[in-house]
Amino acid sequence: AQSVTQLGSHVSVSEGALVLLRCNYSSSVPPYLFWYVQYPNQGLQLLLKYTTGATLVKGINGFEAEFKKSETSFHLTKPSAHMSDAAEYFCAVSDRGGGNKLTFGTGTQLKVEL
Amino acid sequence: GAVVSQHPSWVICKSGTSVKIECRSLDFQATTMFWYRQFPKQSLMLMATSNEGSKATYEQGVEKDKFLINHASLTLSTLTVTSAHPEDSSFYICIAGDTGSGEQYFGPGTRLTVT
Repeated sequence: AQSVTQLGSHVSVSEGALVLLRCNYSSSVPPYLFWYVQYPNQGLQLLLKYTTGATLVKGINGFEAEFKKSETSFHLTKPSAHMSDAAEYFCAVSDRGGGNKLTFGTGTQLKVEL
Repeated sequence: GAVVSQHPSWVICKSGTSVKIECRSLDFQATTMFWYRQFPKQSLMLMATSNEGSKATYEQGVEKDKFLINHASLTLSTLTVTSAHPEDSSFYICIAGDTGSGEQYFGPGTRLTVT
């Protein structure tokens, strides 16, 4: 069975500071890994995903994540936080093969302060 | 990109009534549909997986007689919450799996409030 652990249910950063949201996964097979963002009262939007190839993945809005197999991690980063980045972020994992179910982490609420 | 629609986007119903939520893939064939629910301030939890033309597979703890899922065509899946109660109030999200492209496409979600 797959699982995802997001360390820190709440993260607060200053505007312009580095954003680091942590995600560790457990999977018996090489996984697909995803980060999603959810703004209040809205659905989820894909930020980025790792399937194969380069382990550093760049996504929308300046976010990127690095797949580290040895650490079973897929942490999300952004060099400089913006007020508009305040939202809930979810890490998710699925089996390889495509079109398979997603298992979500518990989410991290990012707060950006002036 | 591929689009998945959900209808209604929000619904308020009285306790004891049934509510049907539709999930449509607009420009691709969704061989698999995943139904999730999200309680306030919580993560998405998988309720069931449905494949076109076959019975849905429910996750442990999800009552199949209460949450009826029908996936009669490759573009439409429905979730019916029967005899809804206030504790069923939640955000319901469908995710369509396209085995052709290997992608998952999210519906925008349906917010159900049971009074």
